[in-house]
Amino acid sequence: DIQMTQSPPSLSASLGDKVTITCQASQNINKYIAWYQQKPGKAPRLLIRYTSTLESGTPSRFSGSGSGRDYSFSISNVESEDIASYYCLQYDNLRTFGGGTKLELK
Amino acid sequence: QIQLVQSGPELKKPGESLKISCKASGYTFTDYAMQWVKQAPGKGLQYMGWINTQTGKPTYADDFKERFVFSLETSASTAYLQINNLKNEDTATYFCARRGGYNPFAYWGQGTLVTVSS
Repeated sequence: DIQMTQSPPSLSASLGDKVTITCQASQNINKYIAWYQQKPGKAPRLLIRYTSTLESGTPSRFSGSGSGRDYSFSISNVESEDIASYYCLQYDNLRTFGGGTKLELK
Repeated sequence: QIQLVQSGPELKKPGESLKISCKASGYTFTDYAMQWVKQAPGKGLQYMGWINTQTGKPTYADDFKERFVFSLETSASTAYLQINNLKNEDTATYFCARRGGYNPFAYWGQGTLVTVSS
């Protein structure tokens, strides 16, 4: 199985900050990476698919980039509603989630 | 509307087995594979694998090739997850999920909490 190494595991930010999360795959995943947001007690919500394509309804302050094995996800101008956990997911070969990043307010 | 409704919480002892159900409605069950995801308390999402709802063939992620069994009751539009020889580390919420459009996990069951404790 492909392994996904996500960092950092936790992040503390102030409102208005820019934050970045990275995921490294154990092999080339051909840009088949998605980013999900999960709030407590809720199912994950897709924000970005195929590296950088924003899902309908995803605010433009969210973005993604990368290629090969290395990918990143950013939130510019963090808002209070962004406080959640974030997961990368590779779907090039089967599926694998990254370990997750918990975003908290500083 | 598309719904995945899972069976209720389970409390089991180590060594026992259990079977969780996921009943689908609002679409043709055999048009989409069913996936399973584990989330231990306070931990991240772990992909367990999927079952082809047309053929019944399961595919398991590496960590779930022992003790875990996916199955179907197609006539009832229901997928099952069986866990044998339960261990404390199986304590988690288990989700069934289906893709939709370009979203690998568009629809989710509400989750089934499994607690394994002696």
